[in-house]
Amino acid sequence: DIQMTQSPSSLSASVGDRVTITCRASQSISSYLNWYQQKPGKAPELLIYAASSLQSGVPSRFSGSGSATDFTLNISSLQPEDFATYYCQQSYSTPRTFGQGTKVEIK
Amino acid sequence: QVQLQESGPGLVKPSETLSLTCTVSGGSITTYFWSWIRQPAGKGLEWIGRIYTGGTTNYNPSLKSRVTMSVDTSKNQFSLNLTSVTAADTAVYYCAREVAAGGGRQFDYWGQGTLVTVSS
Repeated sequence: DIQMTQSPSSLSASVGDRVTITCRASQSISSYLNWYQQKPGKAPELLIYAASSLQSGVPSRFSGSGSATDFTLNISSLQPEDFATYYCQQSYSTPRTFGQGTKVEIK
Repeated sequence: QVQLQESGPGLVKPSETLSLTCTVSGGSITTYFWSWIRQPAGKGLEWIGRIYTGGTTNYNPSLKSRVTMSVDTSKNQFSLNLTSVTAADTAVYYCAREVAAGGGRQFDYWGQGTLVTVSS
């Protein structure tokens, strides 16, 4: 199985801050990396697919980059509705695997 | 707009079989992979497996011996059976569609999730 490791596990930030979350794969996954946002009691929602493509309807303050084993999710200016948990997920091979999540909290 | 809805018992006894169905509306179930994903309370996401509408399946090796998935294209539904459940199988279970698009493969639609508790 491909292991996905996110860092940090949690962070505190203020509205307007730039936030960066990283995800590392245990082997090369090319660009088969997705990012999801999950709010309490809700299903995850797709933000970024294929490492850097913005899902339709997702605000442009979200961006993704990276390839092979190292990936980054950036939020350029954190908004109140962005406080949530973020997961990376590889779709290079089965079993599909997720990172452990990064909880973004209000500072 | 594609919508997915999980259904099934919210309480299952230990050693019994967990059975869930996902109904897809607003679009065809054909030509996509359909997955089950679960999340224990306060924890991360675990992919259980997927089924293609032709019947091809892929299961997580950690659960493979206990998992069976099936699809009914006439009802636009797919199902999960997980046998010999224990308390460790207590989780919110999600169904999701995996699409291959834009150079990637991603879960673009999810059900709202259903909590299944394993307890006597």
